[in-house]
Amino acid sequence: SQTIHQWPATLVQPVGSPLSLECTVEGTSNPNLYWYRQAAGRGLQLLFYSVGIGQISSEVPQNLSASRPQDRQFILSSKKLLLSDSGFYLCAWTKAGADSYEQYFGPGTRLTVT
Amino acid sequence: AQKVTQAQTEISVVEKEDVTLDCVYETRDTTYYLFWYKQPPSGELVFLIRRNSFDEQNEISGRYSWNFQKSTSSFNFTITASQVVDSAVYFCALSGLNSGGSNYKLTFGKGTLLTVNP
Repeated sequence: SQTIHQWPATLVQPVGSPLSLECTVEGTSNPNLYWYRQAAGRGLQLLFYSVGIGQISSEVPQNLSASRPQDRQFILSSKKLLLSDSGFYLCAWTKAGADSYEQYFGPGTRLTVT
Repeated sequence: AQKVTQAQTEISVVEKEDVTLDCVYETRDTTYYLFWYKQPPSGELVFLIRRNSFDEQNEISGRYSWNFQKSTSSFNFTITASQVVDSAVYFCALSGLNSGGSNYKLTFGKGTLLTVNP
C-alpha cells in the first residue's frame, strides 16, 4: 500500500530564516506530487505540482520554491521566510494516468513564522 | 474557471441527528470529477469519495451518502445518525478532465466545519 510522509510535523522559524519541508511517497512510482498551503481561514491553496523528476509548476508567485530531486521526493523551500508564510503545509500525491484523480494527503507540517 | 461553493461555513448538530453538507460547483468541462474530503482536528485530509460526471447514481457507504445532481450542479453529502467522531471540516472538490489540458488540479471549496455534540 502507498504511504506519504512529511516532516517535520511542526516548525517555528524566525522571519528571514530559510525553510526546507520534505515529502516522500512510498509504494508507488512516478506519482504526481503537490504542495498546498492552508491558512487560518481553512481554504486550500495549491502552491506547486510536479509530474516528474525536475518538473515543477508554480501556481502562485511567492516567496517559496519547490524541487523534486527523486521520483518520490518533493521538497518545499524558502531562502527567507516571511510572516505571511505561516500556515499548514500539505503534500499530496496522485497516480499518474487516466484512472485515478483523487489526491492522497500527508499528515502536514504546521509552520509558524515569528 | 472552476469554482466550488460550500455555503455552510459551520454546522452544529446533536449526536444521532442526520446532517447534509451542501456543495455547488461550476465548470465548463464536459467530463469532470467531484470529491469529498474529511479533515479531522489532526489536520490530515482524508479522501472519502470520487464521482464521475457521467455517473449520477447516488452512493451510500455505511452512514455516509452522496447525492449528485448535474441539473443543479450539486454534490451533497449526508451523514446519517451522526457521531462525535464525525466532527471535522469537510471539503468538496472538483477536477476537470480538460482544464487547460491537464486533469490533475483540484479546486477546493472553503470547507464546512461540522461539530457533533454528545
